[in-house]
Amino acid sequence: KAGVTQTPRYLIKTRGQQVTLSCSPISGHRSVSWYQQTPGQGLQFLFEYFSETQRNKGNFPGRFSGRQFSNSRSEMNVSTLELGDSALYLCASSLPGREGGYTFGSGTRLTVV
Amino acid sequence: AQKITQTQPGMFVQEKEAVTLDCTYDTSDPSYGLFWYKQPSSGEMIFLIYQGSYDQQNATEGRYSLNFQKARKSANLVISASQLGDSAMYFCAMREAHTGGFKTIFGAGTRLFVKA
Repeated sequence: KAGVTQTPRYLIKTRGQQVTLSCSPISGHRSVSWYQQTPGQGLQFLFEYFSETQRNKGNFPGRFSGRQFSNSRSEMNVSTLELGDSALYLCASSLPGREGGYTFGSGTRLTVV
Repeated sequence: AQKITQTQPGMFVQEKEAVTLDCTYDTSDPSYGLFWYKQPSSGEMIFLIYQGSYDQQNATEGRYSLNFQKARKSANLVISASQLGDSAMYFCAMREAHTGGFKTIFGAGTRLFVKA
């Protein structure tokens, strides 16, 4: 079966711009989570969506937002980009529950200049 | 609050030997899941192994086993017969219920170097 697909793979944006990242989960996975990975902070949890509802949110400013569609595809948006937003953004889908191990996408590498 | 600690920033192991990567966690929830993931230099995170908090036996998946000591709140990953392809970052993670959904947090990771 197809894996988790993230687009685009690479992005270069200028400070102050906004960006939208896309994630298509594995078929049948209704839970989608987003993480920001940086060398200094490691993997930081952004959001979790399930059936179009945001169930959890990490400690990120309101510039970071997301949504999930009825087909479980998810997008995250970052507005007013800052240099510190440069990171690898990982999307992961899973089955619900505590045993729901993640299947990750390849990530979107965002560089803000 | 949830917390995952990986105290080994880097580890070296000789090819074909076994290696243990340490992980301790902290939670007040009696029901949780523990995971290990591998991240090669290509960047993609790969699920390795899962242990449920109520599981009586240690999880095993091929050359990977999880040494689960609940009372000590540790979940160490053991890789047997290391291979050059095992060189990567390894992350320990814990998943538990949180505000109507589930939340997974990750440790800082351990970079494993396998020497030929």
